Amino acid sequence: DIQMTQSPSSLSASVGDRVTITCRASQSITRYLNWYQQKPGKAPKLLIYAASNLQSGVPSRFSGSGSGTDFTLTISSLQPEDVATYSCQQSFFTPFTFGPGTKVDI
Amino acid sequence: QVQLQQWGAGLVKPSETLSLTCAVYGGSFSAYYWSWIRQPPGKGLEWIGEINHSGSTNYNPSLKSRVTISVDTSKKQFSLNLRSVIAADTAVYYCTRGGDGYGASDYWGQGTLVTVSS
Repeated sequence: DIQMTQSPSSLSASVGDRVTITCRASQSITRYLNWYQQKPGKAPKLLIYAASNLQSGVPSRFSGSGSGTDFTLTISSLQPEDVATYSCQQSFFTPFTFGPGTKVDI
Repeated sequence: QVQLQQWGAGLVKPSETLSLTCAVYGGSFSAYYWSWIRQPPGKGLEWIGEINHSGSTNYNPSLKSRVTISVDTSKKQFSLNLRSVIAADTAVYYCTRGGDGYGASDYWGQGTLVTVSS
């Protein structure tokens, strides 16, 4: 299985801050990397697919980059409604595996 | 608008079978893979497996010996059976649509908490 790691595991930032979360795969997954946002008690929501493609309806302050094994999710200006856990997922090889998540607080 | 609605027993006894079904409303059923993902309380997400409209499946090897995912194309439904459950199978189970091309889950069911307990 491809192992996914994320850093940091949690962070606290202020409204308006630029926030960066990193995700690393144990082997190359080209650009088959997706990012999800999950709020407590809710299903995850797809934010970014194929490393850098913004899912329809997702605010443009979210962006993704990277290829191969190293990827980044950036929130350009953190908003109160962005408090959530963010998880990456590789969809290059089955089983599609997730990172452990990064909890973002304000 | 695509919606996934799932249902099934919320309490299952150890050694018995967990069964969940997911109905798809809106959109194409044949153009996508349909998957099950679970999340133990307080933990991360685990991909269980997927199926397409013709019944082709992929399973997580860690669960493969106990899992069956099936599809009923006429009803636009797909189902999960997990046999011989143990306490570690306690989780919120989600059905999802695998987006075209890159395999991301772009639509999710509401989730079902399944507790394994006698």
